[in-house]
Amino acid sequence: NFMLTQPHSVSESPGKTITISCTGSSGSIASNYVQWYQQRPGSAPTTVIFEDKLRPSGVPDRFSGSIDSPSNSASLTISGLKTEDEADYYCQSYDSSNHWVFGGGTKLTVL
Amino acid sequence: QVQLVESGGGVVQPGKSLKLSCAASGFTFSSYDMHWVRQAPGKGLEWVAFMSRDGTNKYHADSVKGRFTISRDNSKNTLYLQMNSLRPEDTAVYYCAKKGSGSYFGYFQNWGQGSLVTVSS
Repeated sequence: NFMLTQPHSVSESPGKTITISCTGSSGSIASNYVQWYQQRPGSAPTTVIFEDKLRPSGVPDRFSGSIDSPSNSASLTISGLKTEDEADYYCQSYDSSNHWVFGGGTKLTVL
Repeated sequence: QVQLVESGGGVVQPGKSLKLSCAASGFTFSSYDMHWVRQAPGKGLEWVAFMSRDGTNKYHADSVKGRFTISRDNSKNTLYLQMNSLRPEDTAVYYCAKKGSGSYFGYFQNWGQGSLVTVSS
């Protein structure tokens, strides 16, 4: 089964830039779109990136997404970190069996 | 404004059944594919089930296949999840989500606030 692997946690200081990776277990991660969701404690997830690199309206351009085919990974980059960015971030894609797949999530600490 | 409101959660014994509902408003429900996604306490997100806008296509995660069934009533703007033979590992917050994007798989564009299901004796 297709799996997405994320680092368990990352941390950085306010104003800095951080990148969260999401590595596909098999096949080409570029063959299906990757999404990124932000989940703050006690809240439902919200979309920050869809279709690899698109931002929903209302999401600041400090958030960006990319795909790196050689490493079979997707990345979420957040620049100009703010304390409000502190949350769990999940990548998501699909496998060949009409199943939607999430990464295990990355806890971002802004300290 | 899109609103998704889940209901029907609660405490249930192992082996019993429960049916979740998701009332949709603020958009044309019958024009959108829908999903259920769950999150066990302190754990990550897990996709559970998908149903196409007209109900002709539905898929379930392997972990719930044969026990859970997704359905919808477009006349009532409501999505359902019938959960049978519940296990302790089904304990989770269950979210309904509206599919976004015109691509075949799309993404989880809007989420409800979730309904907690606790399976315990």
